[in-house]
Amino acid sequence: GQNIDQPTEMTATEGAIVQINCTYQTSGFNGLFWYQQHAGEAPTFLSYNVLDGLEEKGRFSSFLSRSKGYSYLLLKELQMKDSASYLCADYNQGGKLIFGQGTELSVKP
Amino acid sequence: GAVVSQHPSWVICKSGTSVKIECRSLDFQATTMFWYRQFPKQSLMLMATSNEGSKATYEQGVEKDKFLINHASLTLSTLTVTSAHPEDSSFYICSARGNYGYTFGSGTRLTVV
Repeated sequence: GQNIDQPTEMTATEGAIVQINCTYQTSGFNGLFWYQQHAGEAPTFLSYNVLDGLEEKGRFSSFLSRSKGYSYLLLKELQMKDSASYLCADYNQGGKLIFGQGTELSVKP
Repeated sequence: GAVVSQHPSWVICKSGTSVKIECRSLDFQATTMFWYRQFPKQSLMLMATSNEGSKATYEQGVEKDKFLINHASLTLSTLTVTSAHPEDSSFYICSARGNYGYTFGSGTRLTVV
């Protein structure tokens, strides 16, 4: 089975840095995705980690530790438009994307 | 880039009727498509996996006779919600897996009255 856990909601200030954590327990791990989703819209791809370490892509970075079953998404220089739900998703051996419950991020001025 | 077109974007139907949702990969062939359901303020829950030319595989707890999935070609998968009830009201999203990874449709907001 699979169990993916992330905080339900977080609040941060415009211009700040925020880290959203995701822990997972899964059989047949093949990588971890992060998606951003605005209300009523489809998720948009942010990152994919399959090896341990940090992947940096502009203001967004994602980290993975396979031995610890842990990942985080780091958002720098927060902007108001970053207010959204952030979903981590496990890519398992069955080729399925299984999502965590999502973290609702609110960016305040 | 890969594009997946999902229609309709929203639909209102009467209780007891059936609704068909289409998911079409426009510029790539999708051997596998996934159907998700999302209730307000919740995450995407995988309903089923469909492979072109074969029967869909449903996740535990999803009624295959209620949610009919057809994947007749490499570019088209359909989800039919049969005998819809108000509790089926939700946001349904498809995802197609191709060479570029997973591409999501824009979603369908279904409201059953």
